[in-house]
Amino acid sequence: DQQVKQNSPSLSVQEGRISILNCDYTNSMFDYFLWYKKYPAEGPTFLISISSIKDKNEDGRFTVFLNKSAKHLSLHIVPSQPGDSAVYFCAATRGGAQKLVFGQGTRLTINP
Amino acid sequence: GAGVSQSPRYKVTKRGQDVTLRCDPISSHATLYWYQQALGQGPEFLTYFNYEAQPDKSGLPSDRFSAERPEGSISTLTIQRTEQRDSAMYRCASSLSGWGGEETQYFGPGTRLLVL
Repeated sequence: DQQVKQNSPSLSVQEGRISILNCDYTNSMFDYFLWYKKYPAEGPTFLISISSIKDKNEDGRFTVFLNKSAKHLSLHIVPSQPGDSAVYFCAATRGGAQKLVFGQGTRLTINP
Repeated sequence: GAGVSQSPRYKVTKRGQDVTLRCDPISSHATLYWYQQALGQGPEFLTYFNYEAQPDKSGLPSDRFSAERPEGSISTLTIQRTEQRDSAMYRCASSLSGWGGEETQYFGPGTRLLVL
């Protein structure tokens, strides 16, 4: 049972345009959501997060939107840069729980 | 240390052998996590430690899997009688205080295990 789903295995975007990565979840107990970014041969690194009490969190070029009624979140990167090419994982957790539940990942490629 | 380190980076073993993977977390980090990541999937939680205590082992797939952190720093994950389905990337992560999943987890580069 995949509680966190990233339905797009890959995404290709032109440099300078907006990248939108999507994530859906099924467990309504989740109240905190995170995005991790992973380069080849490295471990995932934390990128941005959002609490369920918010619907938007912004950090520079990165913005995460949360739609609780649809159980959907998205990561927007604007403008996209070649260094943004990586695999992006969506993750979710609930208050007090230690473990993160990850999606399958989306490979983002930024084309010059 | 500067980051989370794991050893070995690659391990090839034969079915039925035991393997032990090592994780060296960021020094001063109280909490340490183990994840299993199959090819094309995201990391899947196995277990975690708060110092040497192991409050949650719910993600360990079978009793062939065990983990230790006897002095609250370095941790090992042991898989006994390995099976081909154990082939995966095993990732370790650590966080500063472990007050919840909201706290940033810092991941190591992983150990790629291949069971022949």
